[in-house]
Amino acid sequence: GEDVEQSLFLSVREGDSSVINCTYTDSSSTYLYWYKQEPGAGLQLLTYIFSNMDMKQDQRLTVLLNKKDKHLSLRIADTQTGDSAIYFCAETVYGGSQGNLIFGKGTKLSVKP
Amino acid sequence: GAGVSQSPSNKVTEKGKDVELRCDPISGHTALYWYRQSLGQGLEFLIYFQGNSAPDKSGLPSDRFSAERTGGSVSTLTIQRTQQEDSAVYLCASSATHEQYFGPGTRLTVT
Repeated sequence: GEDVEQSLFLSVREGDSSVINCTYTDSSSTYLYWYKQEPGAGLQLLTYIFSNMDMKQDQRLTVLLNKKDKHLSLRIADTQTGDSAIYFCAETVYGGSQGNLIFGKGTKLSVKP
Repeated sequence: GAGVSQSPSNKVTEKGKDVELRCDPISGHTALYWYRQSLGQGLEFLIYFQGNSAPDKSGLPSDRFSAERTGGSVSTLTIQRTQQEDSAVYLCASSATHEQYFGPGTRLTVT
């Protein structure tokens, strides 16, 4: 079945870049997403990439997609303490553009001042 | 504009009781999803409503779980005869296209 894998923890210094990696198994996924979850809060949609793209940039966020290796990454430039949160990678299932998401277990990003 | 809202924000119930969790999606969103987030299992899909189509119930863990969506808007997730393993945060999301927007969740604790 579908599966999404992420490393569980990442620690960086304020001002550095953070790179969070994800691998997925469903090659038919149409969209891949990054969500952010702060303590006690719901999931905030950060960005997404369409499967026929290999890069998307949105302000401090850069998403890279390697479809051959089924590898997705999220780079946060100039990481701030407010970026400390859990980041979830997710893929759509059934190859469609709607339908449920499959999530990774989340990467906890800690930003040290 | 208003986002997805969920109520209650916290619910404590005794094992064996029934609970109802409510979700108000973003106005105009035709799709509504329920997920469950627990420490051991991460984020799991439960059920998906799309317009007037029959819901996709493939993620419901047992027949104690059911959900309704009335008038294509508000949804209620019902858990009958709650068990301790049902303790989790229940998240609702809605979408108009492919982007799913989540509510703050209901934290359910079964004692």
